[in-house]
Amino acid sequence: DTEVTQTPKHLVMGMTNKKSLKCEQHMGHRAMYWYKQKAKKPPELMFVYSYEKLSINESVPSRFSPECPNSSLLNLHLHALQPEDSALYLCASSQTDRVEQPQHFGDGTRLSIL
Amino acid sequence: QKEVEQNSGPLSVPEGAIASLNCTYSDRVSQSFFWYRQYSGKSPELIMSIYSNGDKEDGRFTAQLNKASQYVSLLIRDSQPSDSATYLCAPTGNQFYFGTGTSLTVIP
Repeated sequence: DTEVTQTPKHLVMGMTNKKSLKCEQHMGHRAMYWYKQKAKKPPELMFVYSYEKLSINESVPSRFSPECPNSSLLNLHLHALQPEDSALYLCASSQTDRVEQPQHFGDGTRLSIL
Repeated sequence: QKEVEQNSGPLSVPEGAIASLNCTYSDRVSQSFFWYRQYSGKSPELIMSIYSNGDKEDGRFTAQLNKASQYVSLLIRDSQPSDSATYLCAPTGNQFYFGTGTSLTVIP
């Protein structure tokens, strides 16, 4: 069982919809991440939050808006997405964002844009 | 994004054989590595970390790191069908970025 919980597991939305992906961890980790993964490709980093502050934004389009309400929660707000945004969205956490620390991944949200 | 190359595969080995997965990197800052395993449709899970030159063994898995050659490998002994997955290496110097991944199939 994963210690990082993502909801929903699947999401289908139209290009004009607004939806949010949620991620929760109770391991006391202070760094949390969003990744996007397309089929047969490695995960691609989108955002890094460290101590609830955004520390890395990998030039992600503004139609993706991250939010970290507290140290256990991470949201990804979606608006006006494009079909090419269909992918598996993975949340991960680590104790801090120090590079020696491994990440723990949630099971992901599979997103389909119609 | 740092350059981390893996033998892309797909790699097929018979059950019981040794599977060898390789990763080369161009970033001289990267001094240690993580290996993640990702089953189809699932999320990556950490299986090994290696921080110093040489070999590190954990059960059927052995990670080998050669910093001078900027090369890290993962050997899986006595491969099982349950080892069929994609293996991702991630340099800890830049661990937010994964290698290209190697797809392994173990044939019963």
